[in-house]
Amino acid sequence: AQTVTQSQPEMSVQEAETVTLSCTYDTSESDYYLFWYKQPPSRQMILVIRQEAYKQQNATENRFSVNFQKAAKSFSLKISDSQLGDAAMYFCAYRSPPLRANSKLTFGKGITLSVRP
Amino acid sequence: AAGVIQSPRHLIKEKRETATLKCYPIPRHDTVYWYQQGPGQDPQFLISFYEKMQSDKGSIPDRFSAQQFSDYHSELNMSSLELGDSALYFCASSPGRGPQTGSGANVLTFGAGSRLTVL
Repeated sequence: AQTVTQSQPEMSVQEAETVTLSCTYDTSESDYYLFWYKQPPSRQMILVIRQEAYKQQNATENRFSVNFQKAAKSFSLKISDSQLGDAAMYFCAYRSPPLRANSKLTFGKGITLSVRP
Repeated sequence: AAGVIQSPRHLIKEKRETATLKCYPIPRHDTVYWYQQGPGQDPQFLISFYEKMQSDKGSIPDRFSAQQFSDYHSELNMSSLELGDSALYFCASSPGRGPQTGSGANVLTFGAGSRLTVL
């Protein structure tokens, strides 16, 4: 079974600065998908960014980018120019290809990010 | 764009009562997932359905059951409720299997959740 590990329970960043959230995973599959979801105080689960394992290029979405290291099974999220609205819990998640019956999302424990004004 | 609709948003029940949560997936999404999230915890997978058939099962108690109907909406039935069942229950939907393209490809889209409180 796949596992996702987020070893940092909390992080803090100054507004306008850059912060990196770490995530590692374990899998024997060669094809899969990785995601970062954001959960603000409203507790809505919001997709931040996704990465297909077969793509070598790191995904970017505006101020959010990832550092995907497939051999090391590492998938970190970098938030640039942090804003107060970025304060939330961030979950790293793994998904097997949708062709498989068990293509659910497996989440890490999450990391609480606070942004200092 | 249409999103995943969950109802009710809030539900308060007594111990040993029964509760039913409903989920309406994004149109043309044929796969539905249910997750349970306790306070300060990560979402735990309960069960999923693909084309109205159960496709995967996680840590769902025997007291819980679920199904997906012909219109692809899903219901999670919880009986003999316990205090520990108090949690946020998420439903998520995704497009079916096979190659996918576009911004929603291979992504689970979550509803706003149903908050269950058992007293």
